Amino acid sequence: QSVLTQPPSVSAAPGQKVAISCSGSSSNIGNNYVSWYQQFPGTAPKLLIYENNKRHSGIPDRFSGSKSGTSATLDITGLQTGDEADYYCGTWDSSLSAGVFGGGTKLTVL
Amino acid sequence: QVQLQQWGAGLLKSSETLSLTCAVYGGSFNDYFWSWIRQPPGKGLEWIGEINHSGSTNYIPSLKSRVTISVDTSKKQFSLKLSSVTAADTAVYYCARGRNMLMRFDPWGQGTLVTVSS
Repeated sequence: QSVLTQPPSVSAAPGQKVAISCSGSSSNIGNNYVSWYQQFPGTAPKLLIYENNKRHSGIPDRFSGSKSGTSATLDITGLQTGDEADYYCGTWDSSLSAGVFGGGTKLTVL
Repeated sequence: QVQLQQWGAGLLKSSETLSLTCAVYGGSFNDYFWSWIRQPPGKGLEWIGEINHSGSTNYIPSLKSRVTISVDTSKKQFSLKLSSVTAADTAVYYCARGRNMLMRFDPWGQGTLVTVSS
């Protein structure tokens, strides 16, 4: 069981918008920065968002991140079939003194 | 452009010690923390630990008794050792460049599948 909670799956049609949530607590999301990763099968994860809402170099502005209290959200607009992947949130947990990831969310673009 | 290249044994027996090394090509070595992250087949990511150039480390509590991450700044390499492995340690292991306590990882190594057989 992951420290951070993500929905196992989300889906939406091409061109639509989807939001992937990441829920934690005051010891992790509530007091630390959140990052988001995209992973295609058989490949290493790729950094999308860091420090809650900053896009990594080369990431299109269709991807955006936000944080409120002990939850964070990754929004993807103008969905493309190429966005089908697994998405993970990650942050530091001050109580554990360790990094933690969400369980991952599989995005399906119908 | 910074690249990470990792290597190590891919097949182990229970109770053996997992050993992986990651070499950093390009960029600064001393300005970052260097992490190991694993992913069991079909499952999510698990952060294992991190080290900086001076040897300062952080480990996930659940593995702390079995994990050692070390660094060789002269070679710009860092290594992972995980002792007394079991089938539960079967995973793809990634090395990655990060920043202390920020979980901001880029780039990543190519990943090494480590399978533990009984």
